Amino acid sequence: QVQLQESGPGLVKPSETLSLTCSVSGGSISNYYWSWIRQPPGKGLEWLGYIFHSGSTKYNPSLESRVSMSGDTSKNQISLKMTSVTAADAAVYFCARWLPDAAGSFVFWGQGILVIVSS
Amino acid sequence: DIQMTQSPSSVSASVGDRVTITCQASQGISTWLAWYQQKPGKAPKLLIYDASNLHSGVPSRFSGSGSGTDFTLTISSLQPEDFATYYCQQSNSFPLTFGGGTKVEIK
Repeated sequence: QVQLQESGPGLVKPSETLSLTCSVSGGSISNYYWSWIRQPPGKGLEWLGYIFHSGSTKYNPSLESRVSMSGDTSKNQISLKMTSVTAADAAVYFCARWLPDAAGSFVFWGQGILVIVSS
Repeated sequence: DIQMTQSPSSVSASVGDRVTITCQASQGISTWLAWYQQKPGKAPKLLIYDASNLHSGVPSRFSGSGSGTDFTLTISSLQPEDFATYYCQQSNSFPLTFGGGTKVEIK
């Protein structure tokens, strides 16, 4: 069974860079699409983008200038970086495996990590 | 971007009730639609993909239908563990987008 676990600082200062890691176990990150999705407290879900194991990426245009994703096959990890964060970026951040062949659904999810933006 | 509009935003129901949630896309998405269930403090869980295909392990009381712009999630007989928030999500085009959610509450 594929398991995902997000990790990283739970507190980031305004204008700084948010960096999160998603560790994948029970399967390789190779040959799959991996997404980051966030959810502000009490609100809905927002897709941030995906990375394919080869390194190809696609980002939500609303965040494209600030977001980057990368993968490390040696560590079986996916990473997210978001620059110039503001209070609006405070949310629970999830990593998930995206399956284009299952009508583009997210089958496996991490438990999520809460990120607070505050000085 | 394709906007996904769910209704109602919340519904109160009793155990055993039939509950129907609708999701409308701002443009046609064929059957590129998934439904998720989310409980407080947890990640969403996939229920339905391709508009009507039940994900492995999901109880048969859940069903999905629709194509184009209008979709429905039905819970045929609500169980205590079904009280949660439900989201639809489209993958017809990028950016991938979710509906605003429907909270199913105990009556």
